[in-house]
Amino acid sequence: KAGVTQTPRYLIKTRGQQVTLSCSPISGHRSVSWYQQTPGQGLQFLFEYFSETQRNKGNFPGRFSGRQFSNSRSEMNVSTLELGDSALYLCASSLGWGQRNSPLHFGNGTRLTVT
Amino acid sequence: AQSVTQLGSHVSVSEGALVLLRCNYSSSVPPYLFWYVQYPNQGLQLLLKYTSAATLVKGINGFEAEFKKSETSFHLTKPSAHMSDAAEYFCAVIFAGGTSYGKLTFGQGTILTVHP
Repeated sequence: KAGVTQTPRYLIKTRGQQVTLSCSPISGHRSVSWYQQTPGQGLQFLFEYFSETQRNKGNFPGRFSGRQFSNSRSEMNVSTLELGDSALYLCASSLGWGQRNSPLHFGNGTRLTVT
Repeated sequence: AQSVTQLGSHVSVSEGALVLLRCNYSSSVPPYLFWYVQYPNQGLQLLLKYTSAATLVKGINGFEAEFKKSETSFHLTKPSAHMSDAAEYFCAVIFAGGTSYGKLTFGQGTILTVHP
């Protein structure tokens, strides 16, 4: 069974631009979560989607948004990029929302560099 | 406030020695607990999880962790370290209640170095 797939693996953008990251969950998984990983702040929760609806949101500005499609694939968008948005963005999938004993399976991430 | 703390940002052991990585959580209700490992330039891989069944949990690669409610701890151990265990380890928690089902709260991570 294929794991969580994130594309692209690496991105370089300029301040002020916007970026879209993509995530394909494990087949059969319906919940997708996004996390930002930086050396200073560690791993921080961005949002979670289930059945095309955002179920949970972390403490990030409105420039960060996401969506989920009917096939459970998800995208996240960051508009008006800032230098501080440089990070590894990790996507994770699980069987379903509300199943706390269903662990998250992570992709290898998208490394975003903002110059 | 609910939180998770990993004691020691860096741990160094010799090959064959005991590995002990510490994790404490702050919550009045026992949460669901996880340990993840991250190798360079990769995502996080689940090592093991505690979901209110047995307090001693066995995971992959010879790792295990024991949930101690009285100490609000979930320390990760491995009897004998191997060079391939060198990585960063994260303790993660899903706190009970509210809408936190899918939201993992991570510790700051512990980098494990294994010396030959």
